[in-house]
Amino acid sequence: KNEVEQSPQNLTAQEGEFITINCSYSVGISALHWLQQHPGGGIVSLFMLSSGKKKHGRLIATINIQEKHSSLHITASHPRDSAVYICAVKTGTASKLTFGTGTRLQVTL
Amino acid sequence: ETGVTQSPTHLIKTRGQQVTLRCSSQSGHNTVSWYQQALGQGPQFIFQYYREEENGRGNFPPRFSGLQFPNYSSELNVNALELDDSALYLCASSTEPGQGSYGYTFGSGTRLTVV
Repeated sequence: KNEVEQSPQNLTAQEGEFITINCSYSVGISALHWLQQHPGGGIVSLFMLSSGKKKHGRLIATINIQEKHSSLHITASHPRDSAVYICAVKTGTASKLTFGTGTRLQVTL
Repeated sequence: ETGVTQSPTHLIKTRGQQVTLRCSSQSGHNTVSWYQQALGQGPQFIFQYYREEENGRGNFPPRFSGLQFPNYSSELNVNALELDDSALYLCASSTEPGQGSYGYTFGSGTRLTVV
């Protein structure tokens, strides 16, 4: 079992839909990151969470430390949101990240 | 803010050869981490450099080695390339490790193909 599990693996939505991507982890963490990776490979950091909730534009990220679970929500989805969304957790005192395998999102018109 | 730059962007090498990948860290960051991402998989931690010293290593053989320079840029070297080394290699810079939560800046990656 991977230390970081994401669901779903693939997601297709129509423009305007509300989207939720889930991340569960099995280890103690000091922070959780949500990242966006486009087909070219570059990764953009969306959020870094250690508790509660963060919002940036149409993106909202929440984390429940007790349940070891985080969600990334996209409101009013748009085709430009199409990408792979990756959850990564930081464990221990070093800054190593352990990544989930990602959720591939396709938003269609 | 200059961001993180990786070079080259794409590279094709023959099995058995050696390769050097380069990464410049973001201004103000002194820690660089390298990750290998195979097709369809999440990135896997290779190692991290902090103030020119290796500061943690993942489950990769010794033929994967690295360097960090006084300006905090970094190199990843892979000797005796194998076909399974074909992957996207990502570099991420950050501020000092072990200081609690902080952000990472990722480069766009180097796509290595070993034939």
